[in-house]
Amino acid sequence: ETGVTQTPRHLVMGMTNKKSLKCEQHLGHNAMYWYKQSAKKPLELMFVYSLEERVENNSVPSRFSPECPNSSHLFLHLHTLQPEDSALYLCASSQVYRGNQPQHFGDGTRLSIL
Amino acid sequence: TQLLEQSPQFLSIQEGENLTVYCNSSSVFSSLQWYRQEPGEGPVLLVTVVTGGEVKKLKRLTFQFGDARKDSSLHITAAQPGDTGLYLCAGPNYGGSQGNLIFGKGTKLSVKP
Repeated sequence: ETGVTQTPRHLVMGMTNKKSLKCEQHLGHNAMYWYKQSAKKPLELMFVYSLEERVENNSVPSRFSPECPNSSHLFLHLHTLQPEDSALYLCASSQVYRGNQPQHFGDGTRLSIL
Repeated sequence: TQLLEQSPQFLSIQEGENLTVYCNSSSVFSSLQWYRQEPGEGPVLLVTVVTGGEVKKLKRLTFQFGDARKDSSLHITAAQPGDTGLYLCAGPNYGGSQGNLIFGKGTKLSVKP
C-alpha cells in the first residue's frame, strides 16, 4: 500500500459514543496533520505532529484527542461530540514540518453525529 | 492574519469551454500550492509556484503566480468532465520557513458532457 490511508471512510455516531479515526502513511514522512473540512469553510487545521511530537493545537475542543504512537500512524479519538462536529476529517502528511512543503492527503472520514 | 480568497466559488460549464479561477490575498506568500479534490477523495497536489510571475503548465492547466506574489490563477483550456472537482489554493502561514498551510475556501468546478 502507498500514500495515506484513513479508516473508517464513513462513521455515524451518537453524541455519547466514543470512537477513533485512524490514519496511516506509507511515505516515510515526518509530519502528520488532522484537518476538518466543513461546507462553506476553508480547511481547518486541527493538530500537527512532527517527529511524533505535537507541535500545533489550534484551539480544538477537548472532545477531540489526537494520538501519534509512531511516525506512520495518527489517531483522532472522539467522545461526546456535538452535531456541529459533523464534517469530513482529513489526515495529511508531509516530508518535514514546513509551511512550503506539499501535503499528501488521505480520502477522509465522513463523520455524522446524530 | 493571512487569508486566501478564491473566486468564483462555483463554476458550471460545458465540456470544451475555457475557464479561469483565481486565488487572491493582501499578503505576500513565499509560494502557493494548488490542489484538486475530486468528490469522495482527499485533495491532491497539482503544482507549486514559487517565483513571482512564474507560469507553469500541466497539460491543459496553466498556473500563474502574480508578480507581487499575492495572487495566483489557474486557467483550464478545453475543460473535460474529468476536471470536475474542488480547486484549492494554499500557502505557508509563516513565510515558509516553518509553519502550516492556510487554504482558501476553493472553487467548485462542474464540467458537463
